[in-house]
Amino acid sequence: AQRVTQPEKLLSVFKGAPVELKCNYSYSGSPELFWYVQYSRQRLQLLLRHISRESIKGFTADLNKGETSFHLKKPFAQEEDSAMYYCALWALGSGSARQLTFGSGTQLTVLP
Amino acid sequence: DAGITQSPRHKVTETGTPVTLRCHQTENHRYMYWYRQDPGHGLRLIHYSYGVKDTDKGEVSDGYSVSRSKTEDFLLTLESATSSQTSVYFCAISALAGGSSYNEQFFGPGTRLTVL
Repeated sequence: AQRVTQPEKLLSVFKGAPVELKCNYSYSGSPELFWYVQYSRQRLQLLLRHISRESIKGFTADLNKGETSFHLKKPFAQEEDSAMYYCALWALGSGSARQLTFGSGTQLTVLP
Repeated sequence: DAGITQSPRHKVTETGTPVTLRCHQTENHRYMYWYRQDPGHGLRLIHYSYGVKDTDKGEVSDGYSVSRSKTEDFLLTLESATSSQTSVYFCAISALAGGSSYNEQFFGPGTRLTVL
């Protein structure tokens, strides 16, 4: 069965410092990976998908199949980046269709 | 925000009582999902629907049932609520979910359920 691991529950960095949120996955097939973000009092929303290889709000994430990782990075953190971040894997689940499997989330706090 | 609403937004109930949560969408999306969000577990899929009257189980379906009689509504029922079902419940919708092509899931605002 697929699994997504986010080892850090809490992460604090100072404004302007680089930030990296770790995500590792376990899946026997070809993975499709995403980062979702939930700002305070807002809905969960898609931040990045690995297929698009784009930078959103200064964040990037590279899929490393050898290390089975999909870490989220930003060179200079901003206070508005403070949020809960979830890594998610799109894969065949217990039902008959593909499903999103989420990691446990990392709460990022950017300090002034 | 995509046209997704959840009701109620907050509910406190007692162990053993039935509870129904409603997800309503105005996007005419085919797929609808129910997740629960718990500290240390992230979001876990409870049930999903791939069309009217077509539903399937997710990772944590025990103790929950769902129904979808109309495209726009997806109901989640706790037949006999237990304290372990205290959680925040999120509904999500997407246009397509088949094969290997992922279509973005849009999330509702959540329902905070407390079972005493």
